[in-house]
Amino acid sequence: DTAVSQTPKYLVTQMGNDKSIKCEQNLGHDTMYWYKQDSKKFLKIMFSYNNKELIINETVPNRFSPKSPDKAHLNLHINSLELGDSAVYFCASSVRDRGNYGYTFGSGTRLTVV
Amino acid sequence: QQQVKQSPQSLIVQKGGISIINCAYENTAFDYFPWYQQFPGKGPALLIAIRPDVSEKKEGRFTISFNKSAKQFSLHIMDSQPGDSATYFCAGRRGNKLVFGAGTILRVKS
Repeated sequence: DTAVSQTPKYLVTQMGNDKSIKCEQNLGHDTMYWYKQDSKKFLKIMFSYNNKELIINETVPNRFSPKSPDKAHLNLHINSLELGDSAVYFCASSVRDRGNYGYTFGSGTRLTVV
Repeated sequence: QQQVKQSPQSLIVQKGGISIINCAYENTAFDYFPWYQQFPGKGPALLIAIRPDVSEKKEGRFTISFNKSAKQFSLHIMDSQPGDSATYFCAGRRGNKLVFGAGTILRVKS
């Protein structure tokens, strides 16, 4: 029943490791996003995909690489993890409906780099 | 020109009172202004939203007031309840991107 699901919910890893976060939505939305929420709860967009095509790529280190195998999935791979990457990462999806743009967020992945 | 400024950072309201959170934006290209509610350990959830050609929108106890000329909008929560205690984010949308305010932590005391 979960609309936007992310795995894992928690991720603790050492500096220098490579890790992936997976996201899937079953809403039939055509656009998916990755947002980063820092320790002060500030939400900032990282990437956006529309029908598997990258449409937004904010100023994010190239250690972060999103991949969208189909429009229902958007994964995030992070290479050479750094302490500053510790945050909560949210996946979201949206579709244009009568001019409204309701985002649906997943429950987040709390990444802790030690 | 992408910034959305939100205030206050935190707010304590007595049960039954009115909670008011304010936002100001710079980018006149924003065409949609949603408010999101986030509980601890959860993702933000859409609460209510307004388009810039409307000055007010009400859904239950939640009302958005929008002042296009001042580039300001606010969320009013009437009859605030302890269950409303959460972090609230305003946002502006341009293209496929939502730009969020910094958030307001609301605590409703019973």
